[in-house]
Amino acid sequence: DAGITQSPRYKITETGRQVTLMCHQTWSHSYMFWYRQDLGHGLRLIYYSAAADITDKGEVPDGYVVSRSKTENFPLTLESATRSQTSVYFCASRPRTGAYEQYFGPGTRLTVT
Amino acid sequence: AQSVTQLGSHVSVSEGALVLLRCNYSSSVPPYLFWYVQYPNQGLQLLLKYTSAATLVKGINGFEAEFKKSETSFHLTKPSAHMSDAAEYFCAVSYSGYSTLTFGKGTMLLVSP
Repeated sequence: DAGITQSPRYKITETGRQVTLMCHQTWSHSYMFWYRQDLGHGLRLIYYSAAADITDKGEVPDGYVVSRSKTENFPLTLESATRSQTSVYFCASRPRTGAYEQYFGPGTRLTVT
Repeated sequence: AQSVTQLGSHVSVSEGALVLLRCNYSSSVPPYLFWYVQYPNQGLQLLLKYTSAATLVKGINGFEAEFKKSETSFHLTKPSAHMSDAAEYFCAVSYSGYSTLTFGKGTMLLVSP
């Protein structure tokens, strides 16, 4: 039972490069989420998706792009990375019904130099 | 707008002492409330949840939380701290019909021998 996985776990990239962070879940959960975690800011929602081909902005969407062609995958792309996007990124998922608790992946630590 | 306030960015206790982590939410409708724990270099793990059933909720690792509507609080407690409880703890809230969770900024629990 793999649950929810993220890749890569660590990434170093240069300013201006495009980077894609991958998220895969095996539960067939309808909802998927992307957060970033920064010291002093806690967790901030970047984008979320209620189902395949349905996405919506969260609190901090600027500079990020998402897609969801399959239920199990929810990639996050930084089209032109900036130093301010250095952060730890978490993917999460939850079923459509129930008590709304989300299940988190292990995170990707991204450094933009 | 829904919001969560966690009092104290850091809480220090001695091993064997009572753990009390505070969480207050703002709401005019019944909330769903959650506590998550995050160990170093890991994702968030659900500790417990309140979904309008019993007001005293028991979770994993000996933690429990009590929903108090009159105080709009959902404080997390554990009778006796263990060294392995040292981690960051997040309170989160959602509501029926909402797609997302709103997280507090987190409380780092430090446990000394």
